[in-house]
Amino acid sequence: AQSVTQLGSHVSVSEGALVLLRCNYSSSVPPYLFWYVQYPNQGLQLLLKYTSAATLVKGINGFEAEFKKSETSFHLTKPSAHMSDAAEYFCAVSDDSWGKLQFGAGTQVVVTP
Amino acid sequence: DAGVIQSPRHEVTEMGQEVTLRCKPISGHNSLFWYRQTMMRGLELLIYFNNNVPIDDSGMPEDRFSAKMPNASFSTLKIQPSEPRDSAVYFCASSSRDRDGYTFGSGTRLTVV
Repeated sequence: AQSVTQLGSHVSVSEGALVLLRCNYSSSVPPYLFWYVQYPNQGLQLLLKYTSAATLVKGINGFEAEFKKSETSFHLTKPSAHMSDAAEYFCAVSDDSWGKLQFGAGTQVVVTP
Repeated sequence: DAGVIQSPRHEVTEMGQEVTLRCKPISGHNSLFWYRQTMMRGLELLIYFNNNVPIDDSGMPEDRFSAKMPNASFSTLKIQPSEPRDSAVYFCASSSRDRDGYTFGSGTRLTVV
């Protein structure tokens, strides 16, 4: 069975500071990994995905994530937080790029001026 | 492309009533997923279809829930009878192996009173 664990249900960052959201996965097969963002009262929007190509994946809005097999991790980063980054972020794992997703519990990001 | 379209956006109903949620996937996508989001359980997969056929309904909570996909452009999720614990946001998503996209709808916020 596949699963992801997101460390920290809430993260507070200052505007302009580094954003780091942690995600560790468990999978018996090579995983496909995703990060989604959810703004209040909206659906989920794909930030980026890892599909076994490059281990460093660049996404939208200046986010990127690095796949580290040795650490079973797929942490999300952004060098400089913006107020508009305040949202909930979900890490997810799948057997493939089009199939069912197993989501983590989510991390709520608050950006302070 | 209009994306994945869900209706209604909001639904308030009384306990015991039948509720039907609707989803129109992206044209050309052959997989469709129903997810539920609650504070307690996060995002969980209820059921998914491939080429209109239900593949995995292990996430459907109980017999009160049923889902159908009569054709490639329409799916319903029905709850009968509804209970207050069914209150949640229900998301539909569609995807395709041949097209790079896994897209979520904006969700239906269901409140059962």
